[in-house]
Amino acid sequence: SQKIEQNSEALNIQEGKTATLTCNYTNYSPAYLQWYRQDPGRGPVFLLLIRENEKEKRKERLKVTFDTTLKQSLFHITASQPADSATYLCALSSGGSYIPTFGRGTSLIVHP
Amino acid sequence: SAVISQKPSRDICQRGTSLTIQCQVDSQVTMMFWYRQQPGQSLTLIATANQGSEATYESGFVIDKFPISRPNLTFSTLTVSNMSPEDSSIYLCSVGGTGSGELFFGEGSRLTVL
Repeated sequence: SQKIEQNSEALNIQEGKTATLTCNYTNYSPAYLQWYRQDPGRGPVFLLLIRENEKEKRKERLKVTFDTTLKQSLFHITASQPADSATYLCALSSGGSYIPTFGRGTSLIVHP
Repeated sequence: SAVISQKPSRDICQRGTSLTIQCQVDSQVTMMFWYRQQPGQSLTLIATANQGSEATYESGFVIDKFPISRPNLTFSTLTVSNMSPEDSSIYLCSVGGTGSGELFFGEGSRLTVL
């Protein structure tokens, strides 16, 4: 069955460091991979989308990589700030249906 | 991006009752999506609501339990019927973006069933 795996343990890092979150998937051929941010009690907020033929995409302090051979995406936040503390969700969608399927998310805690 | 308003933001309900969640979008959209997020779990798609046709439900979700209305291109409702404690969850309304699958979400409706 299709599976999207994100680390269930919270990632704790110090302010100013680079946070790296991982999304692995199996039995899936995604056309698009997306990352969302979700704060407690709020709906998810779309951050970045990367296509299957793209290796990397950047937006300000965010960088996403997409390795379809490893079936993995890495999400990086450089110069992290306490305000970056949130849960980050990975989502995949195939070319047949653009409606994404979500992972459980990884909680990021940036300490001042 | 779209601005999506959901009501109620939270509610506490008794077992056996029903609750209707409203979703209003600030622009006309073809498809609206209803997701459920149970504690510690990922978002699970309940159904896709198209204006002028019946909603399309995902495996494990049925119309009798989660009836959906879509009277126009900016509004939808999801009803959670005959609720049990297992229905305690956050219910999220969302709409699509520019066509590559990214979604915009409402703030969610946190439902607690006693």
